[in-house]
Amino acid sequence: KAGVTQTPRYLIKTRGQQVTLSCSPISGHRSVSWYQQTPGQGLQFLFEYFSETQRNKGNFPGRFSGRQFSNSRSEMNVSTLELGDSALYLCASSFGGDEQFFGPGTRLTVL
Amino acid sequence: AQSVAQPEDQVNVAEGNPLTVKCTYSVSGNPYLFWYVQYPNRGLQFLLKYITGDNLVKGSYGFEAEFNKSQTSFHLKKPSALVSDSALYFCAVSPEYNFNKFYFGSGTKLNVKP
Repeated sequence: KAGVTQTPRYLIKTRGQQVTLSCSPISGHRSVSWYQQTPGQGLQFLFEYFSETQRNKGNFPGRFSGRQFSNSRSEMNVSTLELGDSALYLCASSFGGDEQFFGPGTRLTVL
Repeated sequence: AQSVAQPEDQVNVAEGNPLTVKCTYSVSGNPYLFWYVQYPNRGLQFLLKYITGDNLVKGSYGFEAEFNKSQTSFHLKKPSALVSDSALYFCAVSPEYNFNKFYFGSGTKLNVKP
């Protein structure tokens, strides 16, 4: 069974730009969660999607948004990038109520 | 508010010695509890979980964790550390009322010296 894949693996953007990150969950997993990982803040929950609906949301500004498609693939969008958005963005999929399987992450650098 | 605490940013242990990585949580009800490990430039890997039953849970790579309900703790342990165990360890909790939302600790860096 293929694992969780995330594209791209690395991104460099400048302040004010927007970015879209993609996540393909493990086949059969309908829940996809996104996290932001930074050295100072650890792992922070962004949102969770299930069957194309946002089911849970963390405490991030509206510049962070996401969506899920009918095949469970998910995208995350960050608009008007700020320097503080530089982080490793992790996607995780689960069957629901069970352990999460993480992708390798997308390293976003904002200059 | 729900929270997970990993009180030690770093744990240093000599190879062959036992190791403990601490985790306490503040989540109502009977949460699910997890440990994950992260190697450099990699995503998180699942180690073990506690849902119900025996308080001592065994997981991957010889790790185990002890659930203590009265102390709301879920400490990760290994009887004999390996240099290859050096990594970043995260404790996570999902609450009983919403098993699809996970709260992670800030992580503990484990250094195992030869």
